[in-house]
Order: sequence, then structure tokens, then C-alpha cells
Amino acid sequence: AQRVTQPEKLLSVFKGAPVELKCNYSYSGSPELFWYVQYSRQRLQLLLRHISRESIKGFTADLNKGETSFHLKKPFAQEEDSAMYYCALISPRGQGGSEKLVFGKGTKLTVNP
Amino acid sequence: SAVISQKPSRDICQRGTSLTIQCQVDSQVTMMFWYRQQPGQSLTLIATANQGSEATYESGFVIDKFPISRPNLTFSTLTVSNMSPEDSSIYLCSVAGQGVTIDTQYFGPGTRLTVL
Repeated sequence: AQRVTQPEKLLSVFKGAPVELKCNYSYSGSPELFWYVQYSRQRLQLLLRHISRESIKGFTADLNKGETSFHLKKPFAQEEDSAMYYCALISPRGQGGSEKLVFGKGTKLTVNP
Repeated sequence: SAVISQKPSRDICQRGTSLTIQCQVDSQVTMMFWYRQQPGQSLTLIATANQGSEATYESGFVIDKFPISRPNLTFSTLTVSNMSPEDSSIYLCSVAGQGVTIDTQYFGPGTRLTVL
């Protein structure tokens, strides 16, 4: 079964320090992976998708198929990066079903001044 | 993008009662999804609701417990029936528009439900 694991429930860093939020997955085939973010008192929103190979708000994430990982990185964390981060993948259609997003449990990032 | 509202934003309910959560979107969308996020847990998909067809439920969720309506392309409801304290959770509605991939989902603000 497709699964997303975020081993860290909480992560705390100081402003200006590098940050890495870990995400590992289990998936048979070529996965489509994403990072979602939820800032305080805001709704969940898409941060980036691996297929785009983009950098959003200074964050990047590289898909490593050998290690089955999709870690989210930022070289210099900012206080406004404090939020809940969820890694997710698209699970393919099951019998009679449709594609769906499978989420990890999330990592709460706190960037201290 | 799509703007999604949910009602109620929160509620405290007694065991054995039912609560209907509404999800309203400001534009017509093809797919609507209902998620549950239990305390300290991840988001779990309950069902997919496409207009004009029966909702598709995920493993572990059944229509008798979580009946869903999708009367048109901008509105859906999720009912949590015969509630127990284990149903205490945040319930999220999300949407994906026609022609976009499933990852481009827009999420509602959520409904925080507490069952006593």
C-alpha cells in the first residue's frame, strides 16, 4: 500500500539556519509527490510538487527514488516559515475508485528568532 | 483558484446525535473531497463526491455513517451520524476543478467537531 512517512512530528530551528523536513514514501512505480503547508489560522495549501522541480518561498524538494525520499529543504529558515508541513503522494486508482492524495502525519516547524 | 467555505466552523455535539457539515465553493468544480483529521493524525480521505454520481467511500468509511450529498457543482454536505467521541476530529472539504490534476486541490477551513 502507498504510504508517506514523516518521522519528525516537531522540528525547531533558529532563524537563518538550514532546515530539512524529512519525507519517506512507499510506492510501487513512479510516484507523484507534493508538499503542502498550513500556516497558523490558514487553510492547507499546496507548496510545491516534485514534477515541477520548482523553488517556492526558498524551499526545494528532490525526489530520491533510491532512498524513497522527498525531503523539503531551505538553506536559511525565516520566522514566517513556521507552519505545519505535510508530504503527500498521489495514490493511483483502485478498482472502481479514483486517484487520491495520501498524506503523511505532518511536521510542525518552528523557526525561532 | 477556488474559495471554499464550510459551516459550521466548529461544533460540540452529544453522543448519538448527527451533524451535517456544509461545503460551498464559489465556482463550479468537478471533484469534491471530504477528509478527516483526527488529533495528532494525518488527513484521511473519507470519500470523493462527484456531482451526478454516488459518493465513493474509502476503506473504513461507510455511507450509513457518513452520508454525503452533492446536489450541484458548487455544494456538498457530509453528515456524521450517530456520533461517538471517536468522531471528534477536524473535517475538511476540498475541491479540484475540471481539467486539473488531483494535486491541485483547494481546501476549506475545516469544521472542528467535538463529541461529548
